[in-house]
Amino acid sequence: GEDVEQSLFLSVREGDSSVINCTYTDSSSTYLYWYKQEPGAGLQLLTYIFSNMDMKQDQRLTVLLNKKDKHLSLRIADTQTGDSAIYFCASEEGTGRRALTFGSGTRLQVQP
Amino acid sequence: DGGITQSPKYLFRKEGQNVTLSCEQNLNHDAMYWYRQDPGQGLRLIYYSQIVNDFQKGDIAEGYSVSREKKESFPLTVTSAQKNPTAFYLCASSYRFPEPQHFGDGTRLSIL
Repeated sequence: GEDVEQSLFLSVREGDSSVINCTYTDSSSTYLYWYKQEPGAGLQLLTYIFSNMDMKQDQRLTVLLNKKDKHLSLRIADTQTGDSAIYFCASEEGTGRRALTFGSGTRLQVQP
Repeated sequence: DGGITQSPKYLFRKEGQNVTLSCEQNLNHDAMYWYRQDPGQGLRLIYYSQIVNDFQKGDIAEGYSVSREKKESFPLTVTSAQKNPTAFYLCASSYRFPEPQHFGDGTRLSIL
């Protein structure tokens, strides 16, 4: 089955850029996703990238996809304290089952 | 406003009791999903449904049951057979797989 891995924790200073990384195993994924979760809340879809793209930019967010290495990254420019949250990467499973596999999440801490 | 509504926000279960978590969406989405999230962990898939009157087991379906009688609704029952039900339960929907999933605000279930 699909495996999605993320580092557990990232700490940055306010105003710096944050880069959250993710690796996945299923090369046939059509979409790859980034979600944000604030404490006690559901997941908010931040952005997603279609697998035939290398990059997608949406305001302060930039997603880079390296299909050869099966590596996905989310860059947040000018990181603010409100960006402190857990960020989840998700990809399609490789089993034919119509479901997503989520990473364990990266906790982003933004220091003032 | 379109969205996904989960209720209740907090739920307590007694020994031997079945409880039902509600999930309603007005996004006209065909697919709906239930996930379980334990502290500090990612999401695990319980059940999913791609169309009305049809649903499939996810990775951790034991001790849970669902129904999909209406497009808008996908209730989850946590039965007494689920011995460790304390968790945060998240419902999601999408137009169809693999289009992006949108999440409700979650229900936190605890044992009395």
